[in-house]
Amino acid sequence: EVQLVESGGGLVQPGGSLRLSCAASGFTFDDYAMYWVRQTPGKGLEWVSGISRKSGTIAYADSVKGRLTISRDNAKNSLFLHMNSLRPEDTAFYYCVKDRAPIVGTKIFDYWGQGTLVSVSS
Amino acid sequence: YVLTQPPSVSVAPGQTARITCGGNNIGSNSVHWYQQKPGQAPVLVVYNDFDRPSGIPERFSGSNSANTATLTISRVEGGDEADYYCQVWDGASDHVVFGGGTKLTVL
Repeated sequence: EVQLVESGGGLVQPGGSLRLSCAASGFTFDDYAMYWVRQTPGKGLEWVSGISRKSGTIAYADSVKGRLTISRDNAKNSLFLHMNSLRPEDTAFYYCVKDRAPIVGTKIFDYWGQGTLVSVSS
Repeated sequence: YVLTQPPSVSVAPGQTARITCGGNNIGSNSVHWYQQKPGQAPVLVVYNDFDRPSGIPERFSGSNSANTATLTISRVEGGDEADYYCQVWDGASDHVVFGGGTKLTVL
């Protein structure tokens, strides 16, 4: 059974930093591209970032580029999101998401974690 | 690239719900649809315009042509009440784009 478990969320002041983690199990982690998608409470979905299976290709939404950094540790079946210079508008649930197909990233999201809440406020 | 969805759609049980997703020449993109119930993570219900993941009922179907993609839910049940999001990959920007979401209400 595929499981994606996020951790690391919490309350942080504007300008602060956080590191989100996602522990993956139930599939061959290094065969799949992975992503972060966020959702402001009560609002819609927003893609944040994606990383290919060997970390060779990385992409970011314009709203987070230069402040958030995606990475992965295939030996530990883990995905990360390093968050710097946080702003109130970064407040959201952050979901760890798996690509549907192995090898070639399809940008189709077939499994989602339950999300971790990041709140940016003074 | 912008995807436009109606904020809400209402339908009686047993009827057919159609949720649209508009975008410039969206017919040339592959469109994926997600269902999200309150307090839960999204679930993929249709991918590549009309394919269904295993476990998704045949009542869920999709189409995509010209400037509009459509998610069709036949014989709607109370359990289908949820928010639905369309999604594409914009190759020009290498960005993933979601529509704003449509709240399906079962009357």
